[in-house]
Amino acid sequence: AQSVTQLDSQVPVFEEAPVELRCNYSSSVSVYLFWYVQYPNQGLQLLLKYLSGSTLVKGINGFEAEFNKSQTSFHLRKPSVHISDTAEYFCAVSDKQSNFNKFYFGSGTKLNVKP
Amino acid sequence: GAGVSQSPSNKVTEKGKDVELRCDPISGHTALYWYRQSLGQGLEFLIYFQGNSAPDKSGLPSDRFSAERTGGSVSTLTIQRTQQEDSAVYLCASSYVVVGGGDEQFFGPGTRLTVL
Repeated sequence: AQSVTQLDSQVPVFEEAPVELRCNYSSSVSVYLFWYVQYPNQGLQLLLKYLSGSTLVKGINGFEAEFNKSQTSFHLRKPSVHISDTAEYFCAVSDKQSNFNKFYFGSGTKLNVKP
Repeated sequence: GAGVSQSPSNKVTEKGKDVELRCDPISGHTALYWYRQSLGQGLEFLIYFQGNSAPDKSGLPSDRFSAERTGGSVSTLTIQRTQQEDSAVYLCASSYVVVGGGDEQFFGPGTRLTVL
């Protein structure tokens, strides 16, 4: 079975600073990778996903993530954050070889952008 | 177009009562998922429906929890004899499922359950 580790439960950062949210996964098979964002009192929405091809994936709101197969990582980055990026971010994986679209989510990272 | 909807948005109940939470997935989505998000916790997978296949119930925490999906569309999550530890936000998601996978899950706004 797959598992996802988000090493940082909370990340405080000042506005306009760069940020990296870490995600590592464990799987014996090839996976698809996703980042979701949850703004306060809202549901989750997709930021970006990696299916195949280029390992650098660009998403909405200026976020990007890089798939590193050797390190089994999919870290999320943004070069300059805004107050509006304050939210909780979830990394998820699903099994490429399965007929089921079951996701395994990490425990989430709360990004707190300070003025 | 319409997204995933859930009702009620908030539910307050007394310990020991039964509750039903409803999810309306996006039309045409064959897969439907229920998750639980407790305060300070991540997303806990509960149950997964896909088409006519037997549901994956491996995440249900106890036999007080059950779910059904009627006609391949609307789903109801039922919690019997609620306990205070059941207090959480219950999220529903749906997706297409095609050969090869990788389909995005679309989430509803959740139902916040409070057990007094």
